[in-house]
Amino acid sequence: GQNIDQPTEMTATEGAIVQINCTYQTSGFNGLFWYQQHAGEAPTFLSYNVLDGLEEKGRFSSFLSRSKGYSYLLLKELQMKDSASYLCAVREYNTDKLIFGTGTRLQVFP
Amino acid sequence: NAGVTQTPKFQVLKTGQSMTLQCAQDMNHEYMSWYRQDPGMGLRLIHYSVGAGITDQGEVPNGYNVSRSTTEDFPLRLLSAAPSQTSVYFCASSSSGANVLTFGAGSRLTVL
Repeated sequence: GQNIDQPTEMTATEGAIVQINCTYQTSGFNGLFWYQQHAGEAPTFLSYNVLDGLEEKGRFSSFLSRSKGYSYLLLKELQMKDSASYLCAVREYNTDKLIFGTGTRLQVFP
Repeated sequence: NAGVTQTPKFQVLKTGQSMTLQCAQDMNHEYMSWYRQDPGMGLRLIHYSVGAGITDQGEVPNGYNVSRSTTEDFPLRLLSAAPSQTSVYFCASSSSGANVLTFGAGSRLTVL
């Protein structure tokens, strides 16, 4: 099975940088995803890591260390519209299940 | 393209009633899945399907049935609704395997 941990809530200031951590314990790992979910809306895909290292996509970057069971999502130049929940999800090896953590609610203040 | 369409958007049931949440996608995706989302619990996988005629259980399958007779449709059935099934339900699909998921808008179910 999977055990995925994320902080419940974080706050940050507009223009700042914030790092959202995700740790996981799994019987089999085949990729890690980050999704963004605004209140009352469906999740949308942000990033995907299957190999160790950093994936950069505009203001958002995601890092993975498979040996440590650890990932983070880095958001730069924060904007008010970045206020949302950020969901970490791990794909199980050989079962095609995508298991989500409980999500981190980020509030960005002016 | 409509993407992933879920119906109904809202539903209120009484305990013991049955109903079906519909999910349809027009992207020719092989993989489809159902999640429920409760406050503080995140998204939990109910059932998933890797292709027509194939379904499998997720983390919380009890009380729910699914079928996948076509590539496009993946209905979720509640045979005898219970208050514990009050939740927001999301259907999601991807082109192959548990890859980048496209989510439907969600269905909010209340069981009294």
